Amino acid sequence: EAGVAQSPRYKIIEKRQSVAFWCNPISGHATLYWYQQILGQGPKLLIQFQNNGVVDDSQLPKDRFSAERLKGVDSTLKIQPAKLEDSAVYLCASSLEGGYNEQFFGPGTRLTVL
Amino acid sequence: GNSVTQMEGPVTLSEEAFLTINCTYTATGYPSLFWYVQYPGEGLQLLLKATKADDKGSNKGFEATYRKETTSFHLEKGSVQVSDSAVYFCALVGDSSYKLIFGSGTRLLVRP
Repeated sequence: EAGVAQSPRYKIIEKRQSVAFWCNPISGHATLYWYQQILGQGPKLLIQFQNNGVVDDSQLPKDRFSAERLKGVDSTLKIQPAKLEDSAVYLCASSLEGGYNEQFFGPGTRLTVL
Repeated sequence: GNSVTQMEGPVTLSEEAFLTINCTYTATGYPSLFWYVQYPGEGLQLLLKATKADDKGSNKGFEATYRKETTSFHLEKGSVQVSDSAVYFCALVGDSSYKLIFGSGTRLLVRP
């Protein structure tokens, strides 16, 4: 079974530029999560989708971050404009629908903002 | 709100040594508890879990017991290997929300 795919694996940008990350969840997984993992910290949930609807985006900085999950499969997370403090690893995870199910994580995208 | 506190790393051990990584939590009700592991260059993987008090989760020689009286879920392994070198995260899911709350992670380095 293929795992959660993410791209790119690494990205370096200047502050105030924009960047987008892509995630392809495990086939059949209705729930998709985006986490931000700052160096030395545990992952923090940014947004959770159930199919193509948002379940929780309470920790998403909506003035600069946006995410979408068209057709309830792939998802993109965008930052515009980026700040230095956005340097982090962005993790995508997916799980089966309903209740709490094990989340399967992708390898992450490491973003460096200069 | 819910939170998880882990011992700071790095933890450096020799091969075959005994491992303990401490984890305590703050949560209302009856959370489920997890240990995740992140090997170099790979994504987070679920290592083990426990869903109610006194449950013991185990996998790959690792164990952790859900202790409600001490709000702890310490990770242990009797004999570590070089291949266990990774970052270990303690996490919880509250009983009123399915959001995973992670600790800050503990890096383990096992030397031959």
